[in-house]
Amino acid sequence: EAGVTQFPSHSVIEKGQTVTLRCDPISGHDNLYWYRRVMGKEIKFLLHFVKESKQDESGMPNNRFLAERTGGTYSTLKVQPAELEDSGVYFCASSKGGGGQPQHFGDGTRLSIL
Amino acid sequence: AQKVTQAQTEISVVEKEDVTLDCVYETRDTTYYLFWYKQPPSGELVFLIRRNSFDEQNEISGRYSWNFQKSTSSFNFTITASQVVDSAVYFCALKMEGGKLIFGQGTELSVKP
Repeated sequence: EAGVTQFPSHSVIEKGQTVTLRCDPISGHDNLYWYRRVMGKEIKFLLHFVKESKQDESGMPNNRFLAERTGGTYSTLKVQPAELEDSGVYFCASSKGGGGQPQHFGDGTRLSIL
Repeated sequence: AQKVTQAQTEISVVEKEDVTLDCVYETRDTTYYLFWYKQPPSGELVFLIRRNSFDEQNEISGRYSWNFQKSTSSFNFTITASQVVDSAVYFCALKMEGGKLIFGQGTELSVKP
């Protein structure tokens, strides 16, 4: 069974540009989550999809971030325009159900804003 | 408010030593779940264990063991006879019914040969 896959693994862009991160969850996992770790701080929740619906987007920092999950399969996270403070590692995770089901993480996308 | 505290930022041990990573959590929910994840140098987060709030039974898996104590709101992780391959950042996390994980700051464990 393939794990959670994230693309790209690294992205370096200039301030003001746009970047789109992609996450392919484990097949059959309805729940998809985005997290990020900035500057060695703790990993923080961004948002949660159940299938194609946003269940919780309380962690999205501002309206420069847009997440989609069309068709309930893969998800994209777009940052437009990128700012310096957006640099960090963005993780995607998926789980089969809610409750105590463990979330399985991808390798993360390391985003650097210059 | 929900919070997870891993007071140890960095720990360094010599191979074969035992090491305990501390995790203290705060929540007012009666139903919750606790997790440990390992992040090796390659970067991915690897799920290690899950406990629910109603099960305080300790667990052992090979050289790994976990001690869950509701009375002190702690979920500590012990590695027995540490090995160089155990070097990683370890995260403790709390999850309520809503679904999102609340992570601690992580403990970077360095095991030297």
